Amino acid sequence: EVQLVESGGGLVQPGGSLRLSCVASGFTFSSYWMSWVRQAPGKGLEWVANIKEDGSEKYYVDSVKGRFTISRDNAKNSLSLQMNSLRAEDTAVYYCARWRYSGTYFYFDYWGQGTLVTVSS
Amino acid sequence: DIQMTQSPSSLSASVGDRVTITCRASQSISTYLNWYQQKPGKAPNPLIYAASSLQSGVPSRFSGSGSGTDFTLSISSLQPEDFATYFCQQSYSTPFTFGPGTKVEIK
Repeated sequence: EVQLVESGGGLVQPGGSLRLSCVASGFTFSSYWMSWVRQAPGKGLEWVANIKEDGSEKYYVDSVKGRFTISRDNAKNSLSLQMNSLRAEDTAVYYCARWRYSGTYFYFDYWGQGTLVTVSS
Repeated sequence: DIQMTQSPSSLSASVGDRVTITCRASQSISTYLNWYQQKPGKAPNPLIYAASSLQSGVPSRFSGSGSGTDFTLSISSLQPEDFATYFCQQSYSTPFTFGPGTKVEIK
């Protein structure tokens, strides 16, 4: 059974930093792109970042470029999101998700339960 | 960036009704369109990928169609467990944007 378990969320002051983690199990982690997707309270979904199977390619939404860094450790089946210079608008539930290829198409096929990040003074 | 819109933003329907949700992209995305269902307090679940391919384990009452800029998600006979919010998402180019969601409520 595929499982993605996030941790690391919490309350942080504006300008602060936080590191989110996601531990994967039930599949060959090193064979999949992975992603972070966030959802502000009561709002829609926003893709945040993707990372290639071997970590050689990374992509970010413009609003987090230069502040967030996605990384992975395939030996530990783990995905991370280092978040610096946090702003109030970064407040959201952050989901770890598997980015699956099917032919030439790709989509988020498994999601974690999410971890809440609150940026407030 | 590709902007995604959905209509309606919410709808009320009864069990057994046929429901159709529309998603529109601001530019052509071929069939790089996915649909997700989200229930309150839960993570989204994939329903449809590549515009019309049913995700494994998803009931056949769900179907998707469309290409280019206009897409639809249909539920042939609404069941109690289908009351949720539905999001479309384009995977044509980064940033991989989502629609604002359509909330399906019980009439």
